[in-house]
Amino acid sequence: SYVLTQAPSVAVAPGKTARIPCGGDNIERKSVQWYQQRPGQAPVVVIYYDSDRPSGIPERFSGSNSGNSATLIISRVEAGDEADYYCQVWDASQDRPVFGGGTKLTVL
Amino acid sequence: QVRLQESGPGLVKPSQTLTLTCSVSGASVTSGGYYWSWVRQAAGQGLEWMGHLYTSGTTDYNPSLMSRVSISVDASRNQFSLMLTSVSVADTGMYYCARQTYRRTVEWYFDLWGRGTLVTVSS
Repeated sequence: SYVLTQAPSVAVAPGKTARIPCGGDNIERKSVQWYQQRPGQAPVVVIYYDSDRPSGIPERFSGSNSGNSATLIISRVEAGDEADYYCQVWDASQDRPVFGGGTKLTVL
Repeated sequence: QVRLQESGPGLVKPSQTLTLTCSVSGASVTSGGYYWSWVRQAAGQGLEWMGHLYTSGTTDYNPSLMSRVSISVDASRNQFSLMLTSVSVADTGMYYCARQTYRRTVEWYFDLWGRGTLVTVSS
């Protein structure tokens, strides 16, 4: 089955840019979604299909996908962005979703 | 506005069967183009897809749970349910119902989530 690999944690100072990677074999051939999960809350999709943003998600959130790595990019990081972030793809060979292990974003 | 709301027992004894229900408002569970799903999360851990049900009634489950899990729909109540048999302490965690959809290509993602319900397995 398809495996997504995420770093356990990323730290960034307020106002800086956070880059959260998600690794997978030829992941560029898949559409990658990103979910934000604040403490005590349900996940919320912040990026779908690599770089599309749902309505209501700030433009500070963007995504890229190339080669074996996709990246969630959060510009001008705010304290409220502190959360766990999960990447997800659809494994068409097994017809099921796959999640990465999640990355905890700490705002210093 | 579409909303999902989980309900069920907060405490289940080991070896018993857990049943959770997801009530859907603002959309029909029988309308095409969606997977109705269950995802769980142990404390401090990541997200684990448990299974989903398509509007046709077709289901698919995580192989790690295949022998213990089933998902069904009650169209008259606009609900879908999760049943997990022979639970153990390892099944303790937050359980979310969620909806999957797709856009340009048939690559499904979760566009809506319930708030989740905490299940504790303990004697």
